Amino acid sequence: AQRVTQPEKLLSVFKGAPVELKCNYSYSGSPELFWYVQYSRQRLQLLLRHISRESIKGFTADLNKGETSFHLKKPFAQEEDSAMYYCALKWGYQKVTFGTGTKLQVIP
Amino acid sequence: NAGVTQTPKFRILKIGQSMTLQCTQDMNHNYMYWYRQDPGMGLKLIYYSVGAGITDKGEVPNGYNVSRSTTEDFPLRLELAAPSQTSVYFCASSYPQLAGGEDTQYFGPGTRLTVL
Repeated sequence: AQRVTQPEKLLSVFKGAPVELKCNYSYSGSPELFWYVQYSRQRLQLLLRHISRESIKGFTADLNKGETSFHLKKPFAQEEDSAMYYCALKWGYQKVTFGTGTKLQVIP
Repeated sequence: NAGVTQTPKFRILKIGQSMTLQCTQDMNHNYMYWYRQDPGMGLKLIYYSVGAGITDKGEVPNGYNVSRSTTEDFPLRLELAAPSQTSVYFCASSYPQLAGGEDTQYFGPGTRLTVL
């Protein structure tokens, strides 16, 4: 069965330090992966998707099929990056499975 | 565009009561979804719809019903509320890539439901 694992519930880093939010997936088909973010008092929104191979707000994520991972990275954390981050896997026709989320706390 | 709107924002129900959570989107998306999020857990798909008149079960459909009579609206019905249905409910919509969209899900603000 498809599964998305985010092993860290909370990740605390200092401002300016590198950030890596881990995401591993389990899926027998061809995966489509996303990162969604929820800032305080805002609704959940898309941050980036692997097929776009883009960098949004300095974040990047590379799909590693060998390691079944889609880790989210940013070289220098900013205070405004503090939020909940969810990794998501699209499978089947239009179903999506979300991870449990990682709270990123950037310490000034 | 208001995007995806949900009502109510909060609700407290007694065991056995019923209610409908409303969801409306004004982006002409044909796909709509209902998720629930329990504390410390990820979002779990309850039901989804690929267009008006078409709905299908997600991972956790028991205790819920949906209908999709229009493109814009996708209400979620709880018939006999149970404490296990205490959760935050999110509605989302998307336009599939196959039809020229982005597959991105656009979320509503959520409804916090407590069943006592």
